[in-house]
Amino acid sequence: DGGITQSPKYLFRKEGQNVTLSCEQNLNHDAMYWYRQDPGQGLRLIYYSQIVNDFQKGDIAEGYSVSREKKESFPLTVTSAQKNPTAFYLCASWVTGSNQPQHFGDGTRLSIL
Amino acid sequence: DQQVKQNSPSLSVQEGRISILNCDYTNSMFDYFLWYKKYPAEGPTFLISISSIKDKNEDGRFTVFLNKSAKHLSLHIVPSQPGDSAVYFCAASGPGNQFYFGTGTSLTVIP
Repeated sequence: DGGITQSPKYLFRKEGQNVTLSCEQNLNHDAMYWYRQDPGQGLRLIYYSQIVNDFQKGDIAEGYSVSREKKESFPLTVTSAQKNPTAFYLCASWVTGSNQPQHFGDGTRLSIL
Repeated sequence: DQQVKQNSPSLSVQEGRISILNCDYTNSMFDYFLWYKKYPAEGPTFLISISSIKDKNEDGRFTVFLNKSAKHLSLHIVPSQPGDSAVYFCAASGPGNQFYFGTGTSLTVIP
């Protein structure tokens, strides 16, 4: 079955530590996205990528970094510069320009120790 | 600036009755609108969508209505079932390759 796999489901970060969230898709979608969900704030876009080796900042990119070395993979690094990283992180993929919905993974819950 | 707004954080409905969830948007360039359903600690799952060339799309118990002049869309669930209890997000996209999400409405269907 095609889908999006996010790992780990729960992640804990110490102060000053960088952590990386994994997102893999086998839907053959060209575009991939990272969102952050906080209570009462909906989904906010962190970064997105439409093709390999290219990505664009979303609304809240500060303190985050991404890479897109393979079509299937779009890892998100939460750096120590992100002062409020506790949130639920969602990865999505999409066929660019299509009238199809984005597909989402099951998310990663990041908490600070 | 929030381009997609859901002004009702929560909604409670009796089982068997109609649930109506509302969503407003500000960008007239949006041409594709979606509703997602989300359970806690899970990713959103796609429910139903509508293109701007239509004003209604129906899929079983779910119907989405689009009023372009008012920049408003709504999701009707008839009849509502306890399993429909979840958070519902509306989303919109336009010529760019981004999707814009509302803040969600938590629906509770009371048995």
